[in-house]
Amino acid sequence: EPEVTQTPSHQVTQMGQEVILRCVPISNHLYFYWYRQILGQKVEFLVSFYNNEISEKSEIFDDQFSVERPDGSNFTLKIRSTKLEDSAMYFCASSGGAGGLWPQHFGDGTRLSIL
Amino acid sequence: GESVGLHLPTLSVQEGDNSIINCAYSNSASDYFIWYKQESGKGPQFIIDIRSNMDKRQGQRVTVLLNKTVKHLSLQIAATQPGDSAVYFCAGISGYSTLTFGKGTMLLVSP
Repeated sequence: EPEVTQTPSHQVTQMGQEVILRCVPISNHLYFYWYRQILGQKVEFLVSFYNNEISEKSEIFDDQFSVERPDGSNFTLKIRSTKLEDSAMYFCASSGGAGGLWPQHFGDGTRLSIL
Repeated sequence: GESVGLHLPTLSVQEGDNSIINCAYSNSASDYFIWYKQESGKGPQFIIDIRSNMDKRQGQRVTVLLNKTVKHLSLQIAATQPGDSAVYFCAGISGYSTLTFGKGTMLLVSP
């Protein structure tokens, strides 16, 4: 069964550094998402992306964050200057293939640790 | 905005029992709900969904019930197995495509 893949599985970065999290969505999907999950808390929406532009974003997704679909297969989340509170699991999701807009299918996440 | 929450943080059952996980939501405009299962170190895995024009939907060993009057969702798992042990999240749509998740219920299945 097709799946969303994310790399790396664990990223350790110094505070203030830039980090790029990578995702390969399911190939025929059209909608892409990033969510994050701080340890022990619920999954929180960051941003959705469709037709090469952001369609929705949350308050968490401030100017430090950006997303890009640099080619036909990858979808990236960049955090420009990381803060300690950015430490979390980051999940990529995709949807919108032949099955319709829903449901969203998630990758296994990237654990981001900011030191 | 949407608020989706779970009544019980942990549910412990014996293998073979039926499990019921509950969820309350606040946004009556939500028209789509999903149950996800999350195992340790994994991302949320889709289990079953339901639209607001339905009150029940069945899958393989799972049933979702929706009570719009009291804004309540439940996930029933029949003949629970140790492999069902995980955190279960309900999620509802808010906005065009945003999922709002509850905090999750840990299901522990003892052999």
